[in-house]
Amino acid sequence: DTGVSQDPRHKITKRGQNVTFRCDPISEHNRLYWYRQTLGQGPEFLTYFQNEAQLEKSRLLSDRFSAERPKGSFSTLEIQRTEQGDSAMYLCASSLAVADNEQFFGPGTRLTVL
Amino acid sequence: AQSVTQPDIHITVSEGASLELRCNYSYGATPYLFWYVQSPGQGLQLLLKYFSGDTLVQGIKGFEAEFKRSQSSFNLRKPSVHWSDAAEYFCAVGPVGGRRALTFGSGTRLQVQP
Repeated sequence: DTGVSQDPRHKITKRGQNVTFRCDPISEHNRLYWYRQTLGQGPEFLTYFQNEAQLEKSRLLSDRFSAERPKGSFSTLEIQRTEQGDSAMYLCASSLAVADNEQFFGPGTRLTVL
Repeated sequence: AQSVTQPDIHITVSEGASLELRCNYSYGATPYLFWYVQSPGQGLQLLLKYFSGDTLVQGIKGFEAEFKRSQSSFNLRKPSVHWSDAAEYFCAVGPVGGRRALTFGSGTRLQVQP
């Protein structure tokens, strides 16, 4: 297994367009997380899934954002009507459902909204 | 709510010199503590983690960290820095209070001089 993968690695879009990102977790991991990282900051939690259930959402996740994990494997994060403030690195992580919750991160998708 | 403070935004050390990166956390109990490293354009790689037991933990790439409950600190150290250690380092806590998400500090950028 090669770890967590994300696609695309880079996305440039115009304000008002919709974008969708994909994350493939480590195969045996049942937890999947999305984080957002802006320049000069640490990652900030957006949402997480255990299997296909979305169990927690941050207040950062406005109604323009939606995430799915339909079969408990890969996940998608969609941003509708993008704004310049959405420009950031979107990181996906996965983990086993154990107490220590060690999370393994993917390379991220860098979004630039023009 | 838990928080993580990394007081040093940017540190420059000479190759071969020792390194200490500071991390302080705020939480009522002892959380799980992590250090991650992020190279430019890359995702986060786990260096080490602390859950309980021995307060000095060893990680990959020759890094270690010491948990000090009395100071709410979890500082990262390396006795001799290599040029390839230049990167951004993030301290994180979690899960706490039933939340699965990690809470990250804002990071410390390490520059290594030849």
